[in-house]
Amino acid sequence: DIQMTQSPSSLSASVGDRVTITCQASQDISNHLNWLQFKPGKAPKLLISDASDLEAGVPSRFSGSGSGTDFSFTINSLQPEDIATYYCQQDDNLPLTFGGGTKVDFK
Amino acid sequence: QVQLQESGPGLVKPSETLSLTCTVSGFSIRSSSHHWGWIRQSPGKGLEWIGSVYYSGTTNYNPSLRSRVTISVDTSKRQFSLRLRSVTAADTAVYYCARHNRRRESPGIPRYWGQGTLVIVSS
Repeated sequence: DIQMTQSPSSLSASVGDRVTITCQASQDISNHLNWLQFKPGKAPKLLISDASDLEAGVPSRFSGSGSGTDFSFTINSLQPEDIATYYCQQDDNLPLTFGGGTKVDFK
Repeated sequence: QVQLQESGPGLVKPSETLSLTCTVSGFSIRSSSHHWGWIRQSPGKGLEWIGSVYYSGTTNYNPSLRSRVTISVDTSKRQFSLRLRSVTAADTAVYYCARHNRRRESPGIPRYWGQGTLVIVSS
């Protein structure tokens, strides 16, 4: 299985801050890396697919980059509605696997 | 608008079979471009992909659960289902269904998800 190492596991930031999360795959996954947002009681939401493609309707303050084994996810200018847990996920090989998650909250 | 809704018992006894159904609306389950999958989230193991089914009935399973899992599809009811046999407390989790884009012949990007349903394994 491909292991996905995500960091940090949690972070605290202020409204307007830039937030960056990293994800490392245990082997080359090309750009087959997705970023998902989880909020309690809501359906998880895909924000970015194929490492850097922003899903329709997702605010442009969210972005992703990387290829191969190293990826990053950035929220430019954190907003109150961005408080959530974020996960990276690879779909290059089965079984599909996820990072451990990053819980983002306010300072 | 694609919508997925999980349904099934919230409490299952140890050693019994967990059964969940996902009903799809706003999109054809017969799509040749998508797979239909199950993913779970537990405190101990984080997010775990369980497996998926194609409209033809072709399945893919996580090797870690393959011996206990069956995923099936009923296109006439626009539903797909999960059965997990011989459950233990370690199978307590929130179970999500999802629509995956098809990548090559396998499930890929999980673009749409249900809200999830909590299943507790306890006597």
